Amino acid sequence: ETGVTQSPTHLIKTRGQQVTLRCSSQSGHNTVSWYQQALGQGPQFIFQYYREEENGRGNFPPRFSGLQFPNYSSELNVNALELDDSALYLCASTLNYGELFFGEGSRLTVL
Amino acid sequence: DQQVKQNSPSLSVQEGRISILNCDYTNSMFDYFLWYKKYPAEGPTFLISISSIKDKNEDGRFTVFLNKSAKHLSLHIVPSQPGDSAVYFCAATAGGTSYGKLTFGQGTILTVHP
Repeated sequence: ETGVTQSPTHLIKTRGQQVTLRCSSQSGHNTVSWYQQALGQGPQFIFQYYREEENGRGNFPPRFSGLQFPNYSSELNVNALELDDSALYLCASTLNYGELFFGEGSRLTVL
Repeated sequence: DQQVKQNSPSLSVQEGRISILNCDYTNSMFDYFLWYKKYPAEGPTFLISISSIKDKNEDGRFTVFLNKSAKHLSLHIVPSQPGDSAVYFCAATAGGTSYGKLTFGQGTILTVHP
């Protein structure tokens, strides 16, 4: 039990649609990171938010965007979905760049 | 460009024996290394870490070794238990405000047989 919850756990979308994934961090955790894990691969860093500001981004296009809210929740938005976006999306939170606590992930399938 | 590599997709060991998981990295800026364990339908959980100023860190049955000159680290589990069966990810970061920005390897599936 990491105290990080993600929703939905599974969802199916079609190519071209938009999706919003949600994450609720541990209380007090001011940093949240999002990762994409394709099948058979390790998680890949998408971006990180610190105190509601984006603080670093991996090699992902602008159609991947995020928000962090004052209540320790955050969102990952993906526009114009492509088939290769099918993956497990992981949210991880931490306090001031300490140990990352991961949620169980949201499994996205794009048809 | 795979900056963190785990070249063994899987490893099978007998209960009670040693499990050794290996990881190589290419980015000289990495100065903090971590191992995560992942069970199916769960997120990765932190196992053990090591700073680049050390060459060994122990926590119970788990020991991580770092060889900076070879850009290689390994995780030793002694003795291995069936409950250790999981996917193990090696991860690295450049530290400081990058602690949330981990670069992961592809993972190694460890199976411990009773």
